[in-house]
Amino acid sequence: NAGVMQNPRHLVRRRGQEARLRCSPMKGHSHVYWYRQLPEEGLKFMVYLQKENIIDESGMPKERFSAEFPKEGPSILRIQQVVRGDSAAYFCASSPRGGYEKLFFGSGTQLSVL
Amino acid sequence: AQTVTQSQPEMSVQEAETVTLSCTYDTSESNYYLFWYKQPPSRQMILVIRQEAYKQQNATENRFSVNFQKAAKSFSLKISDSQLGDTAMYFCAFMNPMAGTALIFGKGTTLSVSS
Repeated sequence: NAGVMQNPRHLVRRRGQEARLRCSPMKGHSHVYWYRQLPEEGLKFMVYLQKENIIDESGMPKERFSAEFPKEGPSILRIQQVVRGDSAAYFCASSPRGGYEKLFFGSGTQLSVL
Repeated sequence: AQTVTQSQPEMSVQEAETVTLSCTYDTSESNYYLFWYKQPPSRQMILVIRQEAYKQQNATENRFSVNFQKAAKSFSLKISDSQLGDTAMYFCAFMNPMAGTALIFGKGTTLSVSS
């Protein structure tokens, strides 16, 4: 059973470009969470999605960031017009039922903005 | 707002020794969950141990155990018989089920185990 798959592992973008980060949850998991880790910091919650629904986006910046989890395919975190401050590691986690279940994390995508 | 504080940015220990990592948190809730996650150089977050606040018994997982002091809002992690593979960043995390399912993480403690 493959774990949570994130790609790409490293992503380099120039300021103003778009970044698309993909997350394929574990098989059978319909709940996906995105977290961001800045250097020397712990992970910060961004958004929680179920298939085709955003459940909680309280940690998501209001502008330039969006997330989706379509019926088919991976969850996508999209950052438009990236700035240097967006440079961070972005982690995806999945769980079978949400709530208090154990979260399974991916290995993250390291985004570097030049 | 809930906060999680890890006061030890770095710690080091010799193989086979015991080390304790500190974590304190702030909440007015009585029902919540606490976690310790390990992040090795591979960067993947791995759940080490989980504690439910309404359970008085401290959780244990093999060489890992916690000292959960609810009144003091303290949740320390003890690693016994340390191994080189324990070298990693360790994060303490809190979840309030009444406020959604987001985990609130501390800033982490870097643990180095040497031979």
